[in-house]
Amino acid sequence: GENVEQHPSTLSVQEGDSAVIKCTYSDSASNYFPWYKQELGKRPQLIIDIRSNVGEKKDQRIAVTLNKTAKHFSLHITETQPEDSAVYFCAASAASGGGADGLTFGKGTHLIIQP
Amino acid sequence: NAGVTQTPKFQVLKTGQSMTLQCAQDMNHNSMYWYRQDPGMGLRLIYYSASEGTTDKGEVPNGYNVSRLNKREFSLRLESAAPSQTSVYFCASSATPNTEAFFGQGTRLTVV
Repeated sequence: GENVEQHPSTLSVQEGDSAVIKCTYSDSASNYFPWYKQELGKRPQLIIDIRSNVGEKKDQRIAVTLNKTAKHFSLHITETQPEDSAVYFCAASAASGGGADGLTFGKGTHLIIQP
Repeated sequence: NAGVTQTPKFQVLKTGQSMTLQCAQDMNHNSMYWYRQDPGMGLRLIYYSASEGTTDKGEVPNGYNVSRLNKREFSLRLESAAPSQTSVYFCASSATPNTEAFFGQGTRLTVV
């Protein structure tokens, strides 16, 4: 089955600086890569996703890049703000649309924004 | 629009007791999932259902059973709870497998 590795487990950055979280996956059939943000005691919520036919996607201060050859993808947050403090999870899925394989998640990155 | 609703929010069980976690979605989604979240482990898939009447095992299915009662509802049952099942359980749904998954608010289960 799919295996997703996520690094680092904890990331502390100064407010206004950029943050980068990296993930690798093992199943070359994976074609959908979402990122979820989870605040303390809350449910995970999607912040951005990318599909295997796209190399990069941006949404305001958030961007995701995908390297299919190397089987890794990254989350980039620019101009970090206090409200960006949370746990971020990457995930991968190989479901083709004919079945629900579910998402395989990384173990999470605790992002701390220092004032 | 409630999205994905789970009940209960908190539960304490004694070892060997049984219980059912309920999940319902009002988004007309085909796919539904149960995950467990343990500290430092991320979210791990227990069972999923591609559509009404179908269920399949995920990464950690042992000790659990599920029922896709109809398109809206997907329940998770612990037949004989064990301390290793102490966790936060999340139900989720998506329109199709490779689209945004919406999560319920979670159930914090403690088995003593």
